[in-house]
Amino acid sequence: DIQMTQSPSSVSASVGDRVTITCRASQVITSWLAWYQQKPGKAPKLLIYAASNLQSGVPSRFSGSASGTDFTLTISSLQPEDFATYYCQQADSFPWTFGQGTKVEIK
Amino acid sequence: EVQLVESGGGLVKPGGSLRLSCAASGLSFTDAWMIWVRQAPGKGLEWVGRIKSKTDDGTTDYAPPVRARFTISRDDSKNMLFLQMNSLKLEDTGMYYCATVGRPGFTYGSFASWGQGTLVTVSS
Repeated sequence: DIQMTQSPSSVSASVGDRVTITCRASQVITSWLAWYQQKPGKAPKLLIYAASNLQSGVPSRFSGSASGTDFTLTISSLQPEDFATYYCQQADSFPWTFGQGTKVEIK
Repeated sequence: EVQLVESGGGLVKPGGSLRLSCAASGLSFTDAWMIWVRQAPGKGLEWVGRIKSKTDDGTTDYAPPVRARFTISRDDSKNMLFLQMNSLKLEDTGMYYCATVGRPGFTYGSFASWGQGTLVTVSS
């Protein structure tokens, strides 16, 4: 199975900060990598698909990139509604797997 | 707008069975590939399985922990997705979500639309 390791597990940040979350795959994978945002008690929401493509309706402050086995989600200027947990997910091969999550908290 | 509504969750004893349903609207369900994802209380997301559209052969794939115990099926005439769960274990407890998944192409493997989830509790 492909393991997806996210870092950090949590981050404390202030409104307006730039936040970067990394997801490292245990082996080289294609760009079938997605990022999700989940708020407490809610279903996840797709932010980025195919590593770097912004889902329709998602603010442009969210962006994704890839380099080798490392995938990055960047929030360019953190907004109050962005405090949530973020997950990466690979669809390169079965079983599809998620990272363990990164909680973005208010500093 | 795509709407997915799960139902069928509840309390079940270890070794028991449960059938979850997911009612879909606002999409061409016949063409949709669908998945189930679960989340144990306070834990992360876990992919459970996927079913292709019948026009794409309708095959299924499962995560190892549920393979041979869980079965995903669909009724395209009713726009319904199902998850039959047998031989339930304590560790199957959690919120179960259905979602659409991108077919081969630009959005492949990404889960764009989600239901609100249905809670399954396995306990004696």
